[in-house]
Amino acid sequence: GNSVTQMEGPVTLSEEAFLTINCTYTATGYPSLFWYVQYPGEGLQLLLKATKADDKGSNKGFEATYRKETTSFHLEKGSVQVSDSAVYFCALRGGTGGFKTIFGAGTRLFVKA
Amino acid sequence: DTGVSQDPRHKITKRGQNVTFRCDPISEHNRLYWYRQTLGQGPEFLTYFQNEAQLEKSRLLSDRFSAERPKGSFSTLEIQRTEQGDSAMYLCASMTSEGATGELFFGEGSRLTVL
Repeated sequence: GNSVTQMEGPVTLSEEAFLTINCTYTATGYPSLFWYVQYPGEGLQLLLKATKADDKGSNKGFEATYRKETTSFHLEKGSVQVSDSAVYFCALRGGTGGFKTIFGAGTRLFVKA
Repeated sequence: DTGVSQDPRHKITKRGQNVTFRCDPISEHNRLYWYRQTLGQGPEFLTYFQNEAQLEKSRLLSDRFSAERPKGSFSTLEIQRTEQGDSAMYLCASMTSEGATGELFFGEGSRLTVL
């Protein structure tokens, strides 16, 4: 079945550092790919998405490109802020997996001032 | 507030008791999902509804778990004869019917602690 694997955390960075959180997926068909974020004390919310190969999703300075050839959707940000400290979840939906969204285990990011 | 709301936010119960959680989705959303999340893990799919029809249920879901969405609006998730392993955060999410591309909107969750 469909699955998502993302790098283990926690990731600890200094403010203004470059961020990469790796995500790879296994799926048949053509799923849509998502990054969700969970800030402390809040519910999960969509950060960005890409619905077909080579699409780039972007929001709040974060970007991720749907790479079908490497089955990856890595999250990047050029300069992180303390307010980016959160847990980030890579997810997919569709292909032959139907309409349920499958999530990775999450990567916790700490950004130090 | 027109977001997804869940009740109760926290439930503490003794092993063997039944518990029920309620989810009120965003009003125009016809898809409703239940997930379970344990510490350090991502949300694990339990079941989902399109309007009042339960279209998919995880094969990992014990028959002690049952969910309903009787009028296609709010939903309930009941756990019978709770076990300590049921302790988790139960998340509800809703979305419109946008195929595979739409955004899930999550509630803040109902935390279950089984003693």
